[in-house]
Amino acid sequence: GAVVSQHPSRVICKSGTSVKIECRSLDFQATTMFWYRQFPKQSLMLMATSNEGSKATYEQGVEKDKFLINHASLTLSTLTVTSAHPEDSSFYICSAVGSGLAGGSSSYEQYFGPGTRLTVT
Amino acid sequence: GDSVTQMEGPVTLSEEAFLTINCTYTATGYPSLFWYVQYPGEGLQLLLKATKADDKGSNKGFEATYRKETTSFHLEKGSVQVSDSAVYFCALTLPYNQGGKLIFGQGTELSVKP
Repeated sequence: GAVVSQHPSRVICKSGTSVKIECRSLDFQATTMFWYRQFPKQSLMLMATSNEGSKATYEQGVEKDKFLINHASLTLSTLTVTSAHPEDSSFYICSAVGSGLAGGSSSYEQYFGPGTRLTVT
Repeated sequence: GDSVTQMEGPVTLSEEAFLTINCTYTATGYPSLFWYVQYPGEGLQLLLKATKADDKGSNKGFEATYRKETTSFHLEKGSVQVSDSAVYFCALTLPYNQGGKLIFGQGTELSVKP
């Protein structure tokens, strides 16, 4: 149980275009999803927290107009990188916390997706 | 603010050697502590966790004990294998009423040679 998928796993796009990354919880309802960015050989940097049906909360320094997050259902959150530039190239990882899991939401354990490698040329 | 500090890598060991990766934390309140593992090109997998002081988390031969007095959560394994080569992240989670965010250490790369 507690599987999180991401799609696509890899994407290459041209500078100036927009890219959408999907994050799905496959066997549980995700009340909260997190989006992270990871540069090579570095740790994960939290970009934003999204709760189903409400606006995402962005971390300081993250441009909300550039990284659009939509958490429209309890099993799907999307991250859209708008007008992508080469400096947006990175590994994007989502995680989900939800209900219906062993330990309940009180354990607040995050389950991670496999990541999406974005390359902007 | 809350933070996690790990020993710097890379750590290179021979197969069957003993592994310790140090992790210390700073937190207000009583966080839960985690170790995650990341294999090349993949997302994070939870390795083990501990939710209160003196708890010991264990999985796949790895273990770590939540030491409140030393604010530490060191990862240990008695005999590493080549397949353990990966990056290991120590993390703490803030209470739910503070957003439940995970705060990660910088990661420690482990390379195990045959």
